[in-house]
Amino acid sequence: EPEVTQTPSHQVTQMGQEVILRCVPISNHLYFYWYRQILGQKVEFLVSFYNNEISEKSEIFDDQFSVERPDGSNFTLKIRSTKLEDSAMYFCASEGQAPRNTEAFFGQGTRLTVV
Amino acid sequence: AQSVAQPEDQVNVAEGNPLTVKCTYSVSGNPYLFWYVQYPNRGLQFLLKYITGDNLVKGSYGFEAEFNKSQTSFHLKKPSALVSDSALYFCAVRGGYSSASKIIFGSGTRLSIRP
Repeated sequence: EPEVTQTPSHQVTQMGQEVILRCVPISNHLYFYWYRQILGQKVEFLVSFYNNEISEKSEIFDDQFSVERPDGSNFTLKIRSTKLEDSAMYFCASEGQAPRNTEAFFGQGTRLTVV
Repeated sequence: AQSVAQPEDQVNVAEGNPLTVKCTYSVSGNPYLFWYVQYPNRGLQFLLKYITGDNLVKGSYGFEAEFNKSQTSFHLKKPSALVSDSALYFCAVRGGYSSASKIIFGSGTRLSIRP
């Protein structure tokens, strides 16, 4: 069964450093998302991406965040200068041709710890 | 703006008894409703969805949910709980009219099934 894969599973970084979280969405999916979850709490929307551009972003997704799909397969989330409060589980998700009729498939997540 | 409410932080049920996890929503237009489950240190796993059609939707692991438009609810149910059902459950909604509108998650309900 196809699945969304995320790497690394756990990343520890020092405050102020840049991190890149990587995701390989399900092949042939067209819509991509990043969500985050702090300490097993609410799952918060960060950004959606379609047709090589951001479709929508939340207030959390400020200038420190960026996304790209550099090679048509990987979908990355970059945090330019990490802060302690960026520590969270980050989930990537992808969805097929008709997102309003389908569910999003989530990866296993990357646990980011900023120290 | 779309929103989802899960009024119970925790639900405790004895094994073999029926369970209900409550969810209410608010969206513009027709709602697209989902339930996801999260096991410890794992990603979000899709359980079931309501797009259109029958109000009673059946999903994975014997779970079902009932869409009630007048009460704007989408409660998750199972006739006979198993200890292995213990996990964190998220109700989610997609609304709006853009092709890549985001899925918004509720705050989650921790389901605990005692033997």
